[in-house]
Amino acid sequence: EAAVTQSPRNKVTVTGGNVTLSCRQTNSHNYMYWYRQDTGHGLRLIHYSYGAGNLQIGDVPDGYKATRTTQEDFFLLLELASPSQTSLYFCASSGGQGNSGNTLYFGEGSRLIVV
Amino acid sequence: QQKVQQSPESLSVPEGGMASFNCTSSDRNFQYFWWYRQHSGEGPKALMSIFSDGDKKEGRFTAHLNKASLHVSLHIRDSQPSDSALYFCAARAQTGFASALTFGSGTKVIVLP
Repeated sequence: EAAVTQSPRNKVTVTGGNVTLSCRQTNSHNYMYWYRQDTGHGLRLIHYSYGAGNLQIGDVPDGYKATRTTQEDFFLLLELASPSQTSLYFCASSGGQGNSGNTLYFGEGSRLIVV
Repeated sequence: QQKVQQSPESLSVPEGGMASFNCTSSDRNFQYFWWYRQHSGEGPKALMSIFSDGDKKEGRFTAHLNKASLHVSLHIRDSQPSDSALYFCAARAQTGFASALTFGSGTKVIVLP
């Protein structure tokens, strides 16, 4: 099974602070994603990437930057954190080839609290 | 309006019973569906996918897709306590290459011992 590792698992920051969430996958998947999970909204796509140096905008990108430095590593950056960004963040990866390649493998999540 | 809508928000089922819940897409481009399951404190995990009209069965889980109405359902037979989880429906538009999945808001299933 695909391995996706996120860090930190828990983070508390102040309004206006900088936060970087990290994600590493070790299964040579081409695609990586950042989602946020909020009660009543399910999982919403922030950004995704289909390879190193590539970035695609998701459905809720405002206030977030992302960077894919290698095939394995995908980072989510909050440069001026706001309380509305308090959420549970998930990174996922997928092979990206054909329909079955679109199965997403999720990490364990990073809980962020902005006070 | 969310493009993928799920109902009910939550349901309880006795152990050994049948749990059934639904998903509808409001975007006719969404033709490919997945079900994901998330246990408390974990990330979501893919349960099954369904792309063709009709039923698809995997063990105790059966998914049903009606492409004309863009309605998909999931049925869990002989529900076990380990089936207590949040179930997400996910959909995407295009085949042949990966596009990101759009998720619904989830159905919380509680299996009562």
